[in-house]
Amino acid sequence: DAGVIQSTRHEVTEMGQEVTLRCKPISGHDYLFWYRQTMMRGLELLIYFNNNVPIDDSGMPEDRFSAKMPNASFSTLKIQPSEPRDSAVYFCASSSGTSPQYFGPGTRLLVL
Amino acid sequence: GQQVMQIPQYQHVQEGEDFTTYCNSSTTLSNIQWYKQRPGGHPVFLIQLVKSGEVKKQKRLTFQFGEAKKNSSLHITATQTTDVGTYFCATLGGGSQGNLIFGKGTKLSVKP
Repeated sequence: DAGVIQSTRHEVTEMGQEVTLRCKPISGHDYLFWYRQTMMRGLELLIYFNNNVPIDDSGMPEDRFSAKMPNASFSTLKIQPSEPRDSAVYFCASSSGTSPQYFGPGTRLLVL
Repeated sequence: GQQVMQIPQYQHVQEGEDFTTYCNSSTTLSNIQWYKQRPGGHPVFLIQLVKSGEVKKQKRLTFQFGEAKKNSSLHITATQTTDVGTYFCATLGGGSQGNLIFGKGTKLSVKP
């Protein structure tokens, strides 16, 4: 099993640019989660999906953030326009029902 | 909503000393999960506890779930440098949803 895949480990962009983070969950998992981690705020849940449907997006900081899950094997988190304060590590995780979550390696985003 | 408080926030120990982190809630928890995140890595599931008073061991790690299911602890005996990282407790968000509520984590450093 390849685990949760976040193929981009580091992303550097300039303020105002659009940035899209991608995630491939573990096959067969019906839950997908997007987290953001910073030193100041710790691990924050941004949004999660169940069977490709967004369930709770109350953690999304503002309208600049959006997430989609067009099918069971792919999800994106988009920030448009990006700002320096969005710099963080973004993790994707997946799980099957209420079982433990499996995290991807994360994408370290730096917005200059 | 449910919250879990984790203490201490940081712990520095000499190699060979024991270490304990505590997770507390004001409400009864359906379960507790523990995760470890190595520096620069991603959270990795360690164990899940669901029964009142449950105790589980993984080599030098001992996990306990309180009788009232409102607290949990992770104890490491004779720490090693490989134990360095942040330890998170987490609990299910409620209902049948698969989201987790994470504690802020305890960051463990081990001096050789």
